[in-house]
Amino acid sequence: NAGVTQTPKFQVLKTGQSMTLQCAQDMNHEYMSWYRQDPGMGLRLIHYSVGAGITDQGEVPNGYNVSRSTTEDFPLRLLSAAPSQTSVYFCASSYSRGTEYNSPLHFGNGTRLTVT
Amino acid sequence: TQLLEQSPQFLSIQEGENLTVYCNSSSVFSSLQWYRQEPGEGPVLLVTVVTGGEVKKLKRLTFQFGDARKDSSLHITAAQPGDTGLYLCAVEYGNKLVFGAGTILRVKS
Repeated sequence: NAGVTQTPKFQVLKTGQSMTLQCAQDMNHEYMSWYRQDPGMGLRLIHYSVGAGITDQGEVPNGYNVSRSTTEDFPLRLLSAAPSQTSVYFCASSYSRGTEYNSPLHFGNGTRLTVT
Repeated sequence: TQLLEQSPQFLSIQEGENLTVYCNSSSVFSSLQWYRQEPGEGPVLLVTVVTGGEVKKLKRLTFQFGDARKDSSLHITAAQPGDTGLYLCAVEYGNKLVFGAGTILRVKS
């Protein structure tokens, strides 16, 4: 009963380094998304995907890339890490989105990233 | 300007007290979700309200959706230390789920 699995749990990067945060779900959800959480700012949407092969930008996409080659996986790539990207990153999935569905989002336990 | 404003930002109370937290917007929504997040974990859905004026109860938690579907409240009766966490409201916006900044609740024993 894994749900949404994120790896790694913690990561420290130097400015300019690149890395990929992994996210996998085993619930056959079509919709997947990445949020970042910063104190006092709630959860802000970075990128999302409504199905394999389809991705779109959220509220704060700059500096991040995503791809969705399978239904299960939705990796988030940091191209050139900056201190402003220090945050906790959450991956979340659901069956679908849209007001007619009201699907709950299922979240992973997050990746805490520090960029020095 | 945030789509959803949550208040208060932080609340610290003694075990056994009652409390209410609020989620407000100037926009109308067809539904609203409440999540709770505990330290080191991702948010977990508590409830979805879909009808103006709707009241839903989950044990000691009572959720209300405003008549105009612009706001919602969460009332906790006789708070317990296990209620400690971050309470987030969220609404559908296009095909995205948008969150408020949350209310941090600390219940002291």
